[in-house]
Amino acid sequence: AQSVSQHNHHVILSEAASLELGCNYSYGGTVNLFWYVQYPGQHLQLLLKYFSGDPLVKGIKGFEAEFIKSKFSFNLRKPSVQWSDTAEYFCAVNRGGGATNKLIFGTGTLLAVQP
Amino acid sequence: EAGVAQSPRYKIIEKRQSVAFWCNPISGHATLYWYQQILGQGPKLLIQFQNNGVVDDSQLPKDRFSAERLKGVDSTLKIQPAKLEDSAVYLCASSLDWGNEQFFGPGTRLTVL
Repeated sequence: AQSVSQHNHHVILSEAASLELGCNYSYGGTVNLFWYVQYPGQHLQLLLKYFSGDPLVKGIKGFEAEFIKSKFSFNLRKPSVQWSDTAEYFCAVNRGGGATNKLIFGTGTLLAVQP
Repeated sequence: EAGVAQSPRYKIIEKRQSVAFWCNPISGHATLYWYQQILGQGPKLLIQFQNNGVVDDSQLPKDRFSAERLKGVDSTLKIQPAKLEDSAVYLCASSLDWGNEQFFGPGTRLTVL
C-alpha cells in the first residue's frame, strides 16, 4: 500500500532561517506529488505540485520542492522563512494515471517561525 | 470564486447518536471527496464521487458511514451510530475533474463523547 512519511513533526525556526521539510513515499510506479499548507484557522491549500518534467518545482510564497526519484523523496525548501509561514505542512501523493485521484497524505509537520 | 462550503463547522454528539455533514463543492466541479482527519494524522480519503457515482469508497466504514451525492452537486456524509473513534475533522474537497487540483473546504470538527 502507498504511504507517505514526514519525519519532522514539529519544527521551530527563527525568521530568515532556511527551511527543509522531508517527505518520502513508498510506491514504485508513476506518482504525482504535492505539498499542502494549512495556516492557522484556514483551509488546506495547495503549495506546489509535481506531475512530470523538471524535478525542481517552484510554488507560491517562495517555496520549492525537489523530486528525487531514486530516493522516493519530495522535500520542501524555502531559503528564508517568515513569521507568516507558521502553519502545518502536508506532503501528499497519488498514483499518476490512476483511476482515482485519491491523495495519500503524510502526518504533517507543524512549523513555528519565531519573529 | 466561491470555495467549498461545509456545514456545520462544529458538532458535539454522544456515542451511538447519528450525525450528518453537508458539503457544497465549487460550481462546475465534477469530482467530490470526503476525507477524515484524526488529530495528529493527515487526511484520509473516505469516499470519492465522480458526478453522482462512487469512484472509490474502499476506506469508508460502510457499517456505520454512508454518503450520497444525488444530483451530482451537494453531498452529505452520515455516521450512524457514532463511536468515540469517529472524533475527527471531516473535510470535503472538490476538483474540476478527477485528475485536477483538489480544493478543500473548512471542515467539520466532530467530537463524540
